[in-house]
Amino acid sequence: EVQLVESGGGLVQPGGSLRLSCAASGFTFSSYWMNWVRQAPGKGLEWVASIRQDGGEKYYEDSVKGRFTISRDNARNALYLQMNSLRVEDTAVYYCARIDNSGHYGRDYWGQGTLVTVSS
Amino acid sequence: DIQMTQSPSSLSASLGDRVTITCRASQSINNRLNWYQHKPGKAPKLLITAASTLQSGVPSKFSGSGSGTDFTLTISSLQPEDFATYYCQQSYITPPLFGQGTKVEIK
Repeated sequence: EVQLVESGGGLVQPGGSLRLSCAASGFTFSSYWMNWVRQAPGKGLEWVASIRQDGGEKYYEDSVKGRFTISRDNARNALYLQMNSLRVEDTAVYYCARIDNSGHYGRDYWGQGTLVTVSS
Repeated sequence: DIQMTQSPSSLSASLGDRVTITCRASQSINNRLNWYQHKPGKAPKLLITAASTLQSGVPSKFSGSGSGTDFTLTISSLQPEDFATYYCQQSYITPPLFGQGTKVEIK
């Protein structure tokens, strides 16, 4: 059974840092693109970042470029999101999601999410 | 960036109703369109990829159609478990933007 479990969320002050983790199981993690998607309170889903199977290609949403870093450890079946210079508007539930290998790139499995609150 | 516009943003419907949600892309995305269902406190669920391909395990009351810039998601007979927010997402190019969502509520 495919499972994605996020952790690392919490309350942080503006300008602070946080590192999110996503533990993957039930599939060959190293064979899939992965990404982070967030949902701010009362808002819709927003793509944040994606990473290729070997970590050699990464993409970011414009508002997080230069502040967030997506990475992965295929030996540990883990996905990460290092978030620096956090802003109030980064407050959201952050989901990790697998990108399917069919060529259509649907996000076919999601974790339950971890809440990040940026507030003074 | 390719912008995705859903309509309506919300709708009220009764059990058994047929519901249609529309998604429009700001430029052609061929059939690179995915639909998700999201319930509060739950993980989003992928319903349809490639505009019309139902994911394994998704009931056939859900269907998708369209190509190019205009797409629809149809729920043939609304049931209690279908009340949720539905999102389209293009997977043609990065950034893979989502529509703003359509909240389906009970009338």
